[in-house]
Amino acid sequence: DAGVTQSPTHLIKTRGQQVTLRCSPKSGHDTVSWYQQALGQGPQFIFQYYEEEERQRGNFPDRFSGHQFPNYSSELNVNALLLGDSALYLCASSWGFDEQYFGPGTRLTVT
Amino acid sequence: AQSVAQPEDQVNVAEGNPLTVKCTYSVSGNPYLFWYVQYPNRGLQFLLKYITGDNLVKGSYGFEAEFNKSQTSFHLKKPSALVSDSALYFCAVRDIGEYGNKLVFGAGTILRVKS
Repeated sequence: DAGVTQSPTHLIKTRGQQVTLRCSPKSGHDTVSWYQQALGQGPQFIFQYYEEEERQRGNFPDRFSGHQFPNYSSELNVNALLLGDSALYLCASSWGFDEQYFGPGTRLTVT
Repeated sequence: AQSVAQPEDQVNVAEGNPLTVKCTYSVSGNPYLFWYVQYPNRGLQFLLKYITGDNLVKGSYGFEAEFNKSQTSFHLKKPSALVSDSALYFCAVRDIGEYGNKLVFGAGTILRVKS
């Protein structure tokens, strides 16, 4: 049984560009959450998707947007990239409010 | 707002000795608490959770955690540390909103086990 998968593994972008990160949830899970983990910090909640709708959002600007597809996979989009967006982006999946299982993350570097 | 704190940036123990990684929480209502571990260049791995019931929770890889309501603590423990336990450990609390839920993490504690 595949766990949570994320792509790409690493990404380098330039300031002002846009990026799309992808996540496939663990089999049987219907909820996807995204977190940003800056270097030396704990993960910070970005938003959560369930039934293709954003259900809860953390303290992140509108430059961060997402989508959930009918197969429960999800995308995270970040527009107008800033240097401060450099971080490890983690996707987590769950069955409803059960414990969240995390993917390996996407390392985004903005230069 | 729900929050957790990990007062130690780093914990050093010798292999074979018991280890404790500390976590305190601040919540309104009943706490839903978790421990995750992160190895270099990896995502977070779920270790254990406390929802309700016994104050001693057993988890993966021989880890356990003790929930203490009076001290608002949820310390991670292991009777005998292994070098392979060296990693970054996060305590987290579930914050349930009107339509969803999120995990609120502490800053993390680096555990170093020396042989």
